[in-house]
Amino acid sequence: KQEVTQIPAALSVPEGENLVLNCSFTDSAIYNLQWFRQDPGKGLTSLLLIQSSQREQTSGRLNASLDKSSGRSTLYIAASQPGDSATYLCAVKTLDNYGQNFVFGPGTRLSVLP
Amino acid sequence: EAGVAQSPRYKIIEKRQSVAFWCNPISGHATLYWYQQILGQGPKLLIQFQNNGVVDDSQLPKDRFSAERLKGVDSTLKIQPAKLEDSAVYLCASSLEPGSQYFGPGTRLTVL
Repeated sequence: KQEVTQIPAALSVPEGENLVLNCSFTDSAIYNLQWFRQDPGKGLTSLLLIQSSQREQTSGRLNASLDKSSGRSTLYIAASQPGDSATYLCAVKTLDNYGQNFVFGPGTRLSVLP
Repeated sequence: EAGVAQSPRYKIIEKRQSVAFWCNPISGHATLYWYQQILGQGPKLLIQFQNNGVVDDSQLPKDRFSAERLKGVDSTLKIQPAKLEDSAVYLCASSLEPGSQYFGPGTRLTVL
């Protein structure tokens, strides 16, 4: 059974810092991995989708990498801003006995201080 | 392009009462998901539809939860009867396989 963990659970940084969020998964047989952002009381917003054949994806100040063999992904945020404050979740699309399934990590709560 | 719509946004009920949530996915998205997100945790998949057929409902507590997607568009999720531990945010998402999932704003359920 796929399990997804995220470290750290919470992170507080001053504005302007570069930071890295980590996601680990136990079953490397994944189809893709997706990073989301969730603001308090809101739904999830997709940030980056990495297919299993890809190593990384970039969007603006965000860069996500994927190492399937080690079961790891990182989300790099450059020059952080207070508006980046949110919870960041990763989700892996994997194959189980019922077909394709998405499994989410618990999230990393990020606070960027002005 | 309109996003995923959900209603109501908030619902407060007493235990043993019934409640229903509604979701309208993005037009043309064949796959629809219902997730339960308990405070401080990541979303947990309850049920996945492909058009109007169920793909995966292995984590749906079928003794009290039910879901349907008539005509392969809108979907409803029902809880009957509700328990205190059902207090959570219920998220609906849709996707064009194998693309990204798009989430609605969620329904926050409080069971007293």
